[in-house]
Amino acid sequence: KAGVTQTPRYLIKTRGQQVTLSCSPISGHRSVSWYQQTPGQGLQFLFEYFSETQRNKGNFPGRFSGRQFSNSRSEMNVSTLELGDSALYLCASSSDSVNTEAFFGQGTRLTVV
Amino acid sequence: EDKVVQSPLSLVVHEGDTVTLNCSYEVTNFRSLLWYKQEKKAPTFLFMLTSSGIEKKSGRLSSILDKKELFSILNITATQTGDSAIYLCAKRGSQGNLIFGKGTKLSVKP
Repeated sequence: KAGVTQTPRYLIKTRGQQVTLSCSPISGHRSVSWYQQTPGQGLQFLFEYFSETQRNKGNFPGRFSGRQFSNSRSEMNVSTLELGDSALYLCASSSDSVNTEAFFGQGTRLTVV
Repeated sequence: EDKVVQSPLSLVVHEGDTVTLNCSYEVTNFRSLLWYKQEKKAPTFLFMLTSSGIEKKSGRLSSILDKKELFSILNITATQTGDSAIYLCAKRGSQGNLIFGKGTKLSVKP
């Protein structure tokens, strides 16, 4: 069974640009959650999608958005990038987020210059 | 605010030692407690705990949850250099999202 796939692995963007990250969950999993990891703040929850609907959202500004497609693949978009958005972005795949294991992808390392 | 607190923040041991990592959490909307190992990028799933007092075991690693005292421990026996990593504990709340602690950085010296 393939694991969670995130693309791209690395990205360098300039302040003010926008970026789109992709996550393909484990086959059969319908929940995809996104997390931002930085040295100072650790892992912080961005949002969760289940069956194409955003089910839960963390405390991030509206510049951070996402969506999920009918095949459960999810994308995360960050607009008007700021230096502070430089981080490792991880997505987690679950069959159902409420009480099941969550498996992470390798992450996308975003650097904003 | 929901909090998960891990201790110690870092730990240096020698191969063969046994280590105990701690994780305490707030009771609000608790569903489960998860442990992960993070070496380079992807946190690797170790255990999910939902019931008090039932030990989960995988090789040299084991974990247990105490829902009365609101904590969990992760034990690693006969440590090896390959156990060097950051160990993350996360509480899953009623809405499903994971709330992570800051992690414990474990260094195992040969």
